[in-house]
Amino acid sequence: DGGITQSPKYLFRKEGQNVTLSCEQNLNHDAMYWYRQDPGQGLRLIYYSQIVNDFQKGDIAEGYSVSREKKESFPLTVTSAQKNPTAFYLCASSQTSLFGGGLTGELFFGEGSRLTVL
Amino acid sequence: EDKVVQSPLSLVVHEGDTVTLNCSYEVTNFRSLLWYKQEKKAPTFLFMLTSSGIEKKSGRLSSILDKKELFSILNITATQTGDSAVYLCAGKGVYSGGGADGLTFGKGTHLIIQP
Repeated sequence: DGGITQSPKYLFRKEGQNVTLSCEQNLNHDAMYWYRQDPGQGLRLIYYSQIVNDFQKGDIAEGYSVSREKKESFPLTVTSAQKNPTAFYLCASSQTSLFGGGLTGELFFGEGSRLTVL
Repeated sequence: EDKVVQSPLSLVVHEGDTVTLNCSYEVTNFRSLLWYKQEKKAPTFLFMLTSSGIEKKSGRLSSILDKKELFSILNITATQTGDSAVYLCAGKGVYSGGGADGLTFGKGTHLIIQP
């Protein structure tokens, strides 16, 4: 079945350590996104990628890094520079980029990764 | 800065009741408004609205957009316990350079249906 797979589902790390969250999709979507969700807040965009080997900062990119070496994969690294990394992280993809003029914009989401920094 | 505001933030009703969830938006170069349902983890797509006044329906759920008032509602009739979830509203603008556009999400409405 087509979909988006995020791993791990739960992750605990000590302060000061970098962690990498995996996101893989087999939907053949060009665009992929990383969102952060905190209690009482909406989804906030961290990074997005419209095409392989290209990515752009979202609204809260500081302390995060990404790569897009393959169409299917868009891993997110939470670095030690991120001041408040404990959160629920959602990866998503779309058929056409949200950042073009097309009217399609439905996002398909992964199940999320919950990161807790001790 | 684009903004999407949902109300109420939380709502508890009894099974069988009808609920209306609200979403107001201020989105530059607005293109569409999307509703998602988030039960446990992954939000799932419900509706995309682009035109004013045209109701979209899916079973007991329906939604409509008012582009003049910058507002959308999501209605759920004859609610069931399985409707309990966080409902997210998002506005989509057109990227015009100088920053990240795209979907701006509201904080969500946490709906609880009691048996």
